[in-house]
Amino acid sequence: ETGVTQSPTHLIKTRGQQVTLRCSSQSGHNTVSWYQQALGQGPQFIFQYYREEENGRGNFPPRFSGLQFPNYSSELNVNALELDDSALYLCASSLEPVGFWQRNTGELFFGEGSRLTVL
Amino acid sequence: QQQVKQSPQSLIVQKGGISIINCAYENTAFDYFPWYQQFPGKGPALLIAIRPDVSEKKEGRFTISFNKSAKQFSLHIMDSQPGDSATYFCAASMKRRQNFVFGPGTRLSVLP
Repeated sequence: ETGVTQSPTHLIKTRGQQVTLRCSSQSGHNTVSWYQQALGQGPQFIFQYYREEENGRGNFPPRFSGLQFPNYSSELNVNALELDDSALYLCASSLEPVGFWQRNTGELFFGEGSRLTVL
Repeated sequence: QQQVKQSPQSLIVQKGGISIINCAYENTAFDYFPWYQQFPGKGPALLIAIRPDVSEKKEGRFTISFNKSAKQFSLHIMDSQPGDSATYFCAASMKRRQNFVFGPGTRLSVLP
């Protein structure tokens, strides 16, 4: 069973640039969620993708956008980078969308994250 | 109301001791409370979880105690080991919402 993999692991950008982060979900998982984890903080929900559509969004501006592909992998795109966007970006996959927990354990499987530094 | 508060921020325990981390929430619609463990350079991993219809859940050395009336829950790590040194996050979720709300984390150090 392949776990959640993310790329790149580290990257440095300058303010105003754009970045794309990639995530491959765990085998058999059809839902991907993205979280932002600032240094010393807990993860903050950005959005969730299910069946290639955004299915829930946290309190993040529209310059944070995403995609999900037919193989359930996903991308997170951030435009017009700001200094405060510096964080660890975590991708998590699940058997079914969070919010539908009726049958499964409700577990999120996280990748190791992409560490973004904005200068 | 969407917040989950967590304390202490950091905790140092001797090997063999009991580690206790506390969390509190306001929103009574939360109905699932997991604890995640995160080692440096890794993503969080589910440790143990509880639903509000039980007051305690034990898995090995890890126990969640849940107090529905006080809207509090805690993680107890018995016989703490140096390998338990990590950051622990409590979290909460509710039906028909797509997100987990995480606490700010507790950095646990278990001294050998």
